[in-house]
Amino acid sequence: EDQVTQSPEALRLQEGESSSLNCSYTVSGLRGLFWYRQDPGKGPEFLFTLYSAGEEKEKERLKATLTKKESFLHITAPKPEDSATYLCAVQVTNSKLTFGKGITLSVRP
Amino acid sequence: EAGVTQFPSHSVIEKGQTVTLRCDPISGHDNLYWYRRVMGKEIKFLLHFVKESKQDESGMPNNRFLAERTGGTYSTLKVQPAELEDSGVYFCASSQELGNEQYFGPGTRLTVT
Repeated sequence: EDQVTQSPEALRLQEGESSSLNCSYTVSGLRGLFWYRQDPGKGPEFLFTLYSAGEEKEKERLKATLTKKESFLHITAPKPEDSATYLCAVQVTNSKLTFGKGITLSVRP
Repeated sequence: EAGVTQFPSHSVIEKGQTVTLRCDPISGHDNLYWYRRVMGKEIKFLLHFVKESKQDESGMPNNRFLAERTGGTYSTLKVQPAELEDSGVYFCASSQELGNEQYFGPGTRLTVT
């Protein structure tokens, strides 16, 4: 069975304090790994897709990386507006996403 | 470009009643997905439409759930009769091509009392 584990469950940072969020996965054959951001009361907002080990993608203060067993979402010099829940999901078939429970990030000014 | 929309945003019903959720995908997206998040758990897949056809319904919990996508545009998810464990947030998502990123709607929060 495909499994996605995200850690830590919650992370509190000071504004400007860089850190990384971890997503470990166990799947039969990875087609893609997706990162989403979710704000309270809203649906997940797409951030990145990674397809192969060694791939990296960046967007503003966020950078996602992928290995054969895990993915990291690096946040550089975060701001309070980066506070949200970050979700990792894997795709094995061309259909469903299998999600982790998410990491709740809080950035204090 | 309008995003994925869902209606209603909230629904409170009694056990045994029927509820129908609606999803309008992004225009031109043939792929439509339903997911559910039960409190304290991760978001879980329910089913996938390609146009009007059910491609994968492996996540549907039981036969009290019926999803349709007539004409390959909007979709409905009916729960009949509703049980307490059906409470949660139901998300709809759509994608243009298979394997591409899925864009999510804001969700419908269903509470069964």
